[in-house]
Amino acid sequence: EADIYQTPRYLVIGTGKKITLECSQTMGHDKMYWYQQDPGMELHLIHYSYGVNSTEKGDLSSESTVSRIRTEHFPLTLESARPSHTSQYLCASSEQGTNYGYTFGSGTRLTVV
Amino acid sequence: AQSVTQLGSHVSVSEGALVLLRCNYSSSVPPYLFWYVQYPNQGLQLLLKYTSAATLVKGINGFEAEFKKSETSFHLTKPSAHMSDAAEYFCAVSQNTGFQKLVFGTGTRLLVSP
Repeated sequence: EADIYQTPRYLVIGTGKKITLECSQTMGHDKMYWYQQDPGMELHLIHYSYGVNSTEKGDLSSESTVSRIRTEHFPLTLESARPSHTSQYLCASSEQGTNYGYTFGSGTRLTVV
Repeated sequence: AQSVTQLGSHVSVSEGALVLLRCNYSSSVPPYLFWYVQYPNQGLQLLLKYTSAATLVKGINGFEAEFKKSETSFHLTKPSAHMSDAAEYFCAVSQNTGFQKLVFGTGTRLLVSP
């Protein structure tokens, strides 16, 4: 079944650790996105990608980085986690064109202690 | 640039009552509009979308929304609320320039009481 997968679902990690949040989709979508969602529930776009080898920063400045080496894979990395990075991270993908919605993963809830 | 405004961060209804969640958009070109639902500790799920075909759009779980150009609105309704409808709802507009991102509203939490 075509879907988008995020791992891990929950992560508690110490300050200063390097972490990678995984996101993979099986739909062959070219466009992929990372959103940060804080307890107030508003969504903030932090990274997006047009396709392989394309990455762009989103509307909200983030210390994280992303890569897109394969169409289906769009991991997000934090080199040194801090408590301010505690949030929910949502990955999404979409087809080309403006009339397609996004398909979202289930999210990763990150807590940095 | 396109934007959406969701009126009311929280809406409370009784089970069986009408659900009305408000969304107004701003767009200089005909927009594509979307409603998403988010259950606790989950990602967002597409409820319905308007893409310039019919102005009344039916979605999943008995929800529907009507596109009203004169009012620049795309309100979400359901005739009879169910306890399982309690969730966060996001309205979004597709940005028709550049990368063509979706621009999300700030969300409305629907609370359903017995």
